[in-house]
Amino acid sequence: QQQVKQSPQSLIVQKGGISIINCAYENTAFDYFPWYQQFPGKGPALLIAIRPDVSEKKEGRFTISFNKSAKQFSLHIMDSQPGDSATYFCAAVLPSGTYKYIFGTGTRLKVLA
Amino acid sequence: KAGVTQTPRYLIKTRGQQVTLSCSPISGHRSVSWYQQTPGQGLQFLFEYFSETQRNKGNFPGRFSGRQFSNSRSEMNVSTLELGDSALYLCASTSGTGQDEQYFGPGTRLTVT
Repeated sequence: QQQVKQSPQSLIVQKGGISIINCAYENTAFDYFPWYQQFPGKGPALLIAIRPDVSEKKEGRFTISFNKSAKQFSLHIMDSQPGDSATYFCAAVLPSGTYKYIFGTGTRLKVLA
Repeated sequence: KAGVTQTPRYLIKTRGQQVTLSCSPISGHRSVSWYQQTPGQGLQFLFEYFSETQRNKGNFPGRFSGRQFSNSRSEMNVSTLELGDSALYLCASTSGTGQDEQYFGPGTRLTVT
């Protein structure tokens, strides 16, 4: 129940295309859902995050779509660029007090020039 | 504001040895979490320290331990190293007083031979 399932494991997209990464969870106690971007040799960096009281959040080319009833959320990267090539992790976080991040297994994105 | 720093960045140890990794959180942050990252298992939560106390713990054997000092700096120790302990060890800091974003350090790459 504490798992977060992330798909696909890897993704190849043409420059200018849309990259879509999906995550699903079971535990309805999660109430914060961040996405992280990690480049080789670096630590993960927070990209965008959403709380379950909204269905969508957009920051530049990055959008999170959240479906509370289906317990799913996804990251959309519009106009994908070669510089977006990285590994992306979704996470689900329990409320403060039982502070705990559960990460998805990651998606390796490659954007072709 | 300086980011999360981790030392050393790279480490090579032999099976059976022990190792200590260090993490300095962002100034003012009181919570430090440790993660093990491997290609097969993704990001696995080790433990979290807040105000010198372990607040949460993942499912790792007792060979993995940590501590936090009064200045919020944290150390992680792994005793009796095994080949399977080879991984990138990441620490992340937050203020610890709410559901804040986690900021990750660059990690320590541990290789056990």
